[in-house]
Amino acid sequence: DGGITQSPKYLFRKEGQNVTLSCEQNLNHDAMYWYRQDPGQGLRLIYYSQIVNDFQKGDIAEGYSVSREKKESFPLTVTSAQKNPTAFYLCASSTFYGYTFGSGTRLTVV
Amino acid sequence: ILNVEQSPQSLHVQEGDSTNFTCSFPSSNFYALHWYRWETAKSPEALFVMTLNGDEKKKGRISATLNTKEGYSYLYIKGSQPEDSATYLCAALFYNQGGKLIFGQGTELSVKP
Repeated sequence: DGGITQSPKYLFRKEGQNVTLSCEQNLNHDAMYWYRQDPGQGLRLIYYSQIVNDFQKGDIAEGYSVSREKKESFPLTVTSAQKNPTAFYLCASSTFYGYTFGSGTRLTVV
Repeated sequence: ILNVEQSPQSLHVQEGDSTNFTCSFPSSNFYALHWYRWETAKSPEALFVMTLNGDEKKKGRISATLNTKEGYSYLYIKGSQPEDSATYLCAALFYNQGGKLIFGQGTELSVKP
């Protein structure tokens, strides 16, 4: 079955550490996205990529970095510069007909 | 900054009640409106994509309408069931936003048996 796989489901990070969240899709979609959700807020766009080797900052890109070396993969790195990284992170890919989402990664800073 | 607003933020109804929620968006440069259903611990699931003014879509007991001139969409659930409990997200696509969806904050629906 085609879909998006995010891993890990839960991640704990010590302050000052970088962590990388994985997102892989086998839908052959060109566009991929990373969103962040905080309690009581909507999904906020971190980074997106419309094509391999190209990506754009979203509304809240500070403290995050991404790469898009393969069409199937769009990993997100949460760097130590991100002041408040504890959140739920959702990856998606899209065609005009809609987005397909992964099941998310919950990141907690300990 | 483009804002997509949903109301109410949460809704608690009894099984069998019909309910509806609203999604408001700027009508300028509007291209498409998406509705998603998001159950706890699962991925958001696409319900509808609508583009034309006056569009109506239906999937079982759930239907949606679109008014692009005044910038709103309604989602209706007829005869709510406990399995309808979820967060319902709307998101709008605009011509000048490079293909990015702008999401509302969601309406959390709880249906009590």
